[in-house]
Amino acid sequence: QAGLTQPPSVSKGLRQTATLTCTGKSNLVGNQGATWLQHHQGHPPKLLSYSNDNRPSGISERFSASRSGNTASLTITELQPEDEADYYCSIWDPDLSAWVFGGGTKLTVL
Amino acid sequence: DVELVESGGGLVQPGGSLRLSCEASGFTFSDDWMSWVRQAPGKGLEWVANIKKDGSITNYVDSVKGRFTISRDNTKNSVYLQMNSLRAEDTALYYCVRDPSVIWGLDSWGQGALVTVSS
Repeated sequence: QAGLTQPPSVSKGLRQTATLTCTGKSNLVGNQGATWLQHHQGHPPKLLSYSNDNRPSGISERFSASRSGNTASLTITELQPEDEADYYCSIWDPDLSAWVFGGGTKLTVL
Repeated sequence: DVELVESGGGLVQPGGSLRLSCEASGFTFSDDWMSWVRQAPGKGLEWVANIKKDGSITNYVDSVKGRFTISRDNTKNSVYLQMNSLRAEDTALYYCVRDPSVIWGLDSWGQGALVTVSS
């Protein structure tokens, strides 16, 4: 299966800003809409962003997503303790007819 | 609100079979594709399969092709995952997920059903 690459871990301080990245094939990330999910263990994942930079209703404005070339990014401002979680990017790969996930980034809020 | 409730998980021996069910409510089930996504212990999320609104198209990750079958019954607002020839590496928490479009992403998740493949 095709891969999306995410850094395994990111650590930032309380009230700081974290930027998580997701890199894939240029024709995949560039042409398809990346989505971002937040996953607290013991709970189901939650969709934070879709189609690169759109937020579902109810998602805090502290979460924003963007894309540049073959890299999608999720920026979280004013980090809070509850932001500590695993974050996954995901894209539909039309060549594989499959949803592809990145390996996930564990965000630690210090 | 969208609600997805999985059932049917459990302990099964290698080579055995199990059928997961997911009952949906809070939305027009027949309007949306549905997916199954799994998470093995200590691992990340892995998409398993999805099925079109009317059941006419199904897609699978390579590792389950020929062993798993996704199906749905729109009269019962339910989607199923028949898992045959189970292997230890299929051990995971299986989530039922609403999959409205490739643009909107995997937007609603159930609590998950645990499948353990072990002798």
